[in-house]
Amino acid sequence: GAVVSQHPSWVICKSGTSVKIECRSLDFQATTMFWYRQFPKQSLMLMATSNEGSKATYEQGVEKDKFLINHASLTLSTLTVTSAHPEDSSFYICSAPLSGRAGETQYFGPGTRLLVL
Amino acid sequence: LAKTTQPISMDSYEGQEVNITCSHNNIATNDYITWYQQFPSQGPRFIIQGYKTKVTNEVASLFIPADRKSSTLSLPRVSLSDTAVYYCLVGPRDSSYKLIFGSGTRLLVRP
Repeated sequence: GAVVSQHPSWVICKSGTSVKIECRSLDFQATTMFWYRQFPKQSLMLMATSNEGSKATYEQGVEKDKFLINHASLTLSTLTVTSAHPEDSSFYICSAPLSGRAGETQYFGPGTRLLVL
Repeated sequence: LAKTTQPISMDSYEGQEVNITCSHNNIATNDYITWYQQFPSQGPRFIIQGYKTKVTNEVASLFIPADRKSSTLSLPRVSLSDTAVYYCLVGPRDSSYKLIFGSGTRLLVRP
C-alpha cells in the first residue's frame, strides 16, 4: 500500500530554537497533506491543511506564524515549529490522501516526537 | 462534520470477539464510516470503511444498520497485539476531506 514517511522520527531541541519536520508521500503524489498534533493520552488534533503551491489552511487556535507549513512539491510537506517552547512538546503526525482509491482515503505517517527542553 | 461517540475504553481477553460501537446520529447521505487503529507512538492505520450493511476484510468486520446512525467494528479472536486505540470517523470519501478525530476507544486485551 501507499506509504507516508516522516523525518525525523524524534527530535530534542532547546527552547527558542526552530525545528523542521518533513512529511513525504513515497509512492504517490499528494496535492493536499494534513498535520496533526497529539498529546499523551489524547486524540489527534488537526492543526492545518497543507496545499501544494498555495498557503496552508490553519485550524482555529493554531498560530500560523509559529507553525510554518510549506508544501513545496507533490510529495513533500514540511512543518517548522518556530521558537519552540516546552509546551510545543508533542507527537506530530502528517497524513496524505490518495485520490480515487476505493476504500482507504488517507495514509498516515509514523509520527515525529518533539521534546523541547 | 458528523460527531461520533464511542466508549472511552474496553477490556477483553485473548481469543474473544470484540465489538466496538460508534454513534453518529448526524451522518450525512454522502458520508462514509471509517475506522482507524493507533498504537502508541505510531500514526493511525486504516482498518475498514463502509457505507451501509456489512463490510468484511481480513482484519475486521463493520456492521452498519439501515439508518446508519451507528456502526459496530467487530474484531474476531483478538490477540494481545490488538491492544490499541480505535477511532471511528465519519465523512465524505473525498481525498481532500480533513479528518476530525474523536476521543477513540482504548482497547486493552488481556492474556
